[in-house]
Amino acid sequence: NAGVTQTPKFQVLKTGQSMTLQCAQDMNHNSMYWYRQDPGMGLRLIYYSASEGTTDKGEVPNGYNVSRLNKREFSLRLESAAPSQTSVYFCASSEAERRGLYAYGYTFGSGTRLTVV
Amino acid sequence: AQSVAQPEDQVNVAEGNPLTVKCTYSVSGNPYLFWYVQYPNRGLQFLLKYITGDNLVKGSYGFEAEFNKSQTSFHLKKPSALVSDSALYFCAVRAYSGNTPLVFGKGTRLSVIA
Repeated sequence: NAGVTQTPKFQVLKTGQSMTLQCAQDMNHNSMYWYRQDPGMGLRLIYYSASEGTTDKGEVPNGYNVSRLNKREFSLRLESAAPSQTSVYFCASSEAERRGLYAYGYTFGSGTRLTVV
Repeated sequence: AQSVAQPEDQVNVAEGNPLTVKCTYSVSGNPYLFWYVQYPNRGLQFLLKYITGDNLVKGSYGFEAEFNKSQTSFHLKKPSALVSDSALYFCAVRAYSGNTPLVFGKGTRLSVIA
C-alpha cells in the first residue's frame, strides 16, 4: 500500500548510543516532517524538509539531526541518546503547500517507539 | 506564532449521543485548520480540514467541524457517537500564508461508552 514507512517500529537504546530512524514515502510528496509524541504534550515538530535539498528546525531540534537523502527518504539521527528522548517518533509527508491556493493534509507513518535507558 | 489549544484532555460520551471535541487556535492572518484521529498504536489519520468557504466542514466517518472566526474555534462534532470512535483526536493549524508546518494541539482522548 502507498504511504509512509518507518523503520524500526521499536528500539531500546542505552544512554549515549546513536541510531538513525528511517522514513520513506512513495507518494511523490515534496515535504516531509519528523514529530515526536509524548503524553500530555501532543505532537511536537523536530525537523522538517519543505523540499528535497532543504531542511529546517522545528520546535524541539536539540539532540537530533536529519538528512533528506532524496525525495523519498528523510532520516532522523540521534547522535548521543538521552532518556529525555524516550518517545514515539512519527514521520509524515505532504504535497508542497501552494501559497493561498490549497493546503494538503499530512500522511503519517505508523511510528517508532524509542526507549532510552 | 501559531498555537492550538484543546482544553479537554478527556471527553466521555454515551453511544448514540452527540459528541463535541473542542479546539481553539491562534494564528496571524487566516488559518488552515485540520483534525486528525489516532487509534491505539497507529499513526495519525486525516479526518477533515478547513481551507476557506463554508464554515461547516464534513469529513470522514460522519465527523464534521465548524469554523468560527470570531471565537477562533474549530470544534469537532458528530451527531451520534459510536464505540469505535473512541480514540485520540488532534486539532492542527497553520497560517494561510507562508509554507510553515502544522502545529498540533495536545490531543483529546474520546471515550464512547456503550
